[in-house]
Amino acid sequence: GNSVTQMEGPVTLSEEAFLTINCTYTATGYPSLFWYVQYPGEGLQLLLKATKADDKGSNKGFEATYRKETTSFHLEKGSVQVSDSAVYFCALSEGSQGNLIFGKGTKLSVKP
Amino acid sequence: DAGVIQSPRHEVTEMGQEVTLRCKPISGHNSLFWYRQTMMRGLELLIYFNNNVPIDDSGMPEDRFSAKMPNASFSTLKIQPSEPRDSAVYFCASNLPTDSLGYTFGSGTRLTVV
Repeated sequence: GNSVTQMEGPVTLSEEAFLTINCTYTATGYPSLFWYVQYPGEGLQLLLKATKADDKGSNKGFEATYRKETTSFHLEKGSVQVSDSAVYFCALSEGSQGNLIFGKGTKLSVKP
Repeated sequence: DAGVIQSPRHEVTEMGQEVTLRCKPISGHNSLFWYRQTMMRGLELLIYFNNNVPIDDSGMPEDRFSAKMPNASFSTLKIQPSEPRDSAVYFCASNLPTDSLGYTFGSGTRLTVV
């Protein structure tokens, strides 16, 4: 079945460092891909999405490109801030209902 | 729109008691999902509804768990009787059935069973 694999955390970076969180997927067909972010004590929020191969999703300085050839959707940010500390979830949609399959999440801590 | 609204935000109950969690989805969204999040298992889909009808409840852990959606604007997740291992954060999410839009999550209910 469909699945999402994320790099395990936690990831600890200094402010202004470059961030990459790896995400690969297994899917039949052509799913849409998502990154969600969960700040402490809150629910998940949609960060960015891409609906077809070679699409780039971007938001708040974060980017991810839908790579069909490597079945990947890695999250990147050029310069992280303390306020980016959160748990990041990669997800894909499946089926006509658009149900989401989530990865296990990667916790990011950014130190000043 | 106020988003997906869950209540209560926090619930502490004694083992054996009945617990009811509530969710109000975004108006116009016709799919609703209940998730459970724990440190050990991460985010688990418990059940989802489409047009108020339960579609897949294979994630519901045991018969102690039940969920209803009596109308398009309200859903409940009930645990009876509750056990300490049910302690988790329970999230509700809703969406429209077009996969490009993703889900909107509520803020969750943190359940502690002592």
